[in-house]
Amino acid sequence: TAGITQAPTSQILAAGRSMTLRCTQDMRHNAMYWYRQDLGLGLRLIHYSNTAGTTGKGEVPDGYSVSRANTDDFPLTLASAVPSQTSVYFCASSLTGDTGELFFGEGSRLTVL
Amino acid sequence: GQNIDQPTEMTATEGAIVQINCTYQTSGFNGLFWYQQHAGEAPTFLSYNVLDGLEEKGRFSSFLSRSKGYSYLLLKELQMKDSASYLCAVRDRDYKLSFGAGTTVTVRA
Repeated sequence: TAGITQAPTSQILAAGRSMTLRCTQDMRHNAMYWYRQDLGLGLRLIHYSNTAGTTGKGEVPDGYSVSRANTDDFPLTLASAVPSQTSVYFCASSLTGDTGELFFGEGSRLTVL
Repeated sequence: GQNIDQPTEMTATEGAIVQINCTYQTSGFNGLFWYQQHAGEAPTFLSYNVLDGLEEKGRFSSFLSRSKGYSYLLLKELQMKDSASYLCAVRDRDYKLSFGAGTTVTVRA
């Protein structure tokens, strides 16, 4: 079982360019999340979706957008990247929106120059 | 919002015991979680406490005191493979997880 897959694994991006990080899960989980992880700050929630067709803002949503057209996919888009968005991005899923056991993807390392 | 504090680093010897403390302040509490993250890898779920007391799972145990806003993760019989970051996370009234910055544990031979 693949679990949760993220792409790309790493990417270097020029400031001002747009970028979509892809996330797919095959566990039929209802809830999905995007976190960013920065040294000394830990994981911070960007956006989440409790079920297909709905999304919500997390702690640090500015500069990011998400969509949840179906259960399996939860892409994260940076419309116009800035250097402060350099980070490691983790996609995660959970069976429902009120369970705390999250399953994480392997992460996408993004560098914005 | 959440304010979660845990030590940055800890070092211990193989076979020993290490206790990682986590204190939190929250506007709403709905459970405390511990995750393990090896360098360059994804976090993985370790334990969950919602009521006061000790939860034991093999070599790992987690304790919670809601009145004190305090939890600890106890790692016994340390092995080299336990070298990793340990993340304390608090679930709020909206069922969203907020994570601490993590404690990097180094196990020495």
